Amino acid sequence: DAGVIQSPRHEVTEMGQEVTLRCKPISGHDYLFWYRQTMMRGLELLIYFNNNVPIDDSGMPEDRFSAKMPNASFSTLKIQPSEPRDSAVYFCASKLGHVNIQYFGAGTRLSVL
Amino acid sequence: AQSVSQHNHHVILSEAASLELGCNYSYGGTVNLFWYVQYPGQHLQLLLKYFSGDPLVKGIKGFEAEFIKSKFSFNLRKPSVQWSDTAEYFCAVTAIYNTGNQFYFGTGTSLTVIP
Repeated sequence: DAGVIQSPRHEVTEMGQEVTLRCKPISGHDYLFWYRQTMMRGLELLIYFNNNVPIDDSGMPEDRFSAKMPNASFSTLKIQPSEPRDSAVYFCASKLGHVNIQYFGAGTRLSVL
Repeated sequence: AQSVSQHNHHVILSEAASLELGCNYSYGGTVNLFWYVQYPGQHLQLLLKYFSGDPLVKGIKGFEAEFIKSKFSFNLRKPSVQWSDTAEYFCAVTAIYNTGNQFYFGTGTSLTVIP
């Protein structure tokens, strides 16, 4: 099992640019979660999907953030336009509905200059 | 909404010292509880979990945690830490009241073990 795969591992961009983070959940998992980790706030849930449908996006900080899951094996988190305060590590996690354990990807470290 | 409190933000111990990290949650219903560990530069990995049954659960690498329902606590313990235990530790709770099973994480405790 390849686990949850995130890309890129590191992203450095300039303020105002569009950033797209990608996630491939574990095959067969029907839940997908996007988290943001910062020193100040710790691990925050941004949004999660069930069967490709967004269930709760109340953690998305503002309209600059959007997430999609076009199919069961792929999700994106997009920031447009990016700002320096978006600098953080973004984690994706997935789980199988009846098994209450989340499996995390390696994360994407985003730096917005 | 649920919340998770980890009272120790940064802990420094010498090797062979005993460890206890506090975790309290706020929810009166049925919960599942977790401890995740994040080694430097790595992703979060499951250390141990409590679903039901024996409130004392054992995880990997000699860690254990005790669920005390009356105190809404799920403290993590290890009798003798090693340098390799240096990591960030996150407590998490999920309330079993809907199919979403949304996880709530604490802010984490950074553990540094000095050789």
